[in-house]
Amino acid sequence: EVQLVQSGAEVKKPGESLKISCKGSGYSFTTDWIGWVRQMPGKGLEWMGIIYPGDSDTRYSPSFQGQVTISADKSINTAYLQWRSLRASDTAMYYCARYSQITAGGDYWGQGTLVTVSS
Amino acid sequence: QSALTQPRSVSGSPGQSVTISCTGTSSDVGGYNYVSWYQQHPGKAPKLMIYDVTKRPSGVPDRFSGSKSGNTASLTISGLQAEDEADYYCCSYAGSYNLKVFGGGTKLTVL
Repeated sequence: EVQLVQSGAEVKKPGESLKISCKGSGYSFTTDWIGWVRQMPGKGLEWMGIIYPGDSDTRYSPSFQGQVTISADKSINTAYLQWRSLRASDTAMYYCARYSQITAGGDYWGQGTLVTVSS
Repeated sequence: QSALTQPRSVSGSPGQSVTISCTGTSSDVGGYNYVSWYQQHPGKAPKLMIYDVTKRPSGVPDRFSGSKSGNTASLTISGLQAEDEADYYCCSYAGSYNLKVFGGGTKLTVL
């Protein structure tokens, strides 16, 4: 059974750093892409970027380029989404999803990680 | 990159059909046959309902169908059921620079 399991909710202060994770199981982690999607409170979905864990090829939406870092450790089937300096506007639910190709739909999704940034 | 345009809300009675539109440009919806649709119930992760404009993943009822004409894609749900009440989002591949773009979402109410 394909599963993406994300790390737990986080509460952080502005300026702090954060790295959340997405662990894949039940499929070949290195031959599919993992994408990240943001959903701010009460708002719609926003596509952030995608990584191919097989060779760490990473692409970002222009809106998120330079704001976050996407990485992966294929030895433990885990992808990451990282911030160096959080802002209150980063408060959102973040989802990871599996994509067979960049052009494809996300066929399996993690349960989401809620990130709250507040002073 | 602007979000794709979807109606804020649509509604229908059980057994009826509804269609949700998703309008983009020739740089996204109109330029590629890579439109997907997602269903999201409150507090839940999105679920893929349609990919590559018309294809249904295994397990998705055939009441859900997708189509595209020019720069507008559509999701049609026939034989509406109470459990179809949810938010629906379209998403299109938008080329090697913008990659992907979502629509703003449509709230479906089953009356």
